Amino acid sequence: NAGVTQTPKFRVLKTGQSMTLLCAQDMNHEYMYWYRQDPGMGLRLIHYSVGEGTTAKGEVPDGYNVSRLKKQNFLLGLESAAPSQTSVYFCASSSRQGASNQPQHFGDGTRLSIL
Amino acid sequence: GNSVTQMEGPVTLSEEAFLTINCTYTATGYPSLFWYVQYPGEGLQLLLKATKADDKGSNKGFEATYRKETTSFHLEKGSVQVSDSAVYFCALSGYGGATNKLIFGTGTLLAVQP
Repeated sequence: NAGVTQTPKFRVLKTGQSMTLLCAQDMNHEYMYWYRQDPGMGLRLIHYSVGEGTTAKGEVPDGYNVSRLKKQNFLLGLESAAPSQTSVYFCASSSRQGASNQPQHFGDGTRLSIL
Repeated sequence: GNSVTQMEGPVTLSEEAFLTINCTYTATGYPSLFWYVQYPGEGLQLLLKATKADDKGSNKGFEATYRKETTSFHLEKGSVQVSDSAVYFCALSGYGGATNKLIFGTGTLLAVQP
């Protein structure tokens, strides 16, 4: 029972490089989310998706793009990485049924450093 | 707007001590409230939840009661163990239309010493 799987787990980039973080869930959840976690700031929502082919902006979307071509996958892209994007990135998913009462299920995170 | 405020850490306790981590919220409507726990190097895991006023969520000896009159959802445990050392996040949901987008507090680090 894998739950939510994030790849890669660690990555170091140079300023200006691009990369894609992959999130996969095997719980048939409709909703998926990308967060970033920074010291003293909790988790902040970057983008989210309520279903295959749909995405929406969260609290801190600038500098990121997302795609949800398949229900089980949610990709987060950095087109031109900046040092301010150094963070730990978490993907989560949740069920649409009784949405506001449903917990989100998290992956183990991707630790990204931009030099 | 909606927000969650948690007590700042770190909270350092001896094993078997009583734990309280304060959480208050500001919200329109009737949010659901959650406590998540994050162990070192891992993602967040749901610890407990409450979906309406006066509900008590409980799990693994932890409890929290949804108090609408004081807009609070304080986390308590009667006797902590070293294995409870982690970061605890209070969160609320129920806003943003059809989704269950969460708003998180900043997290409270708990360190339990043997």
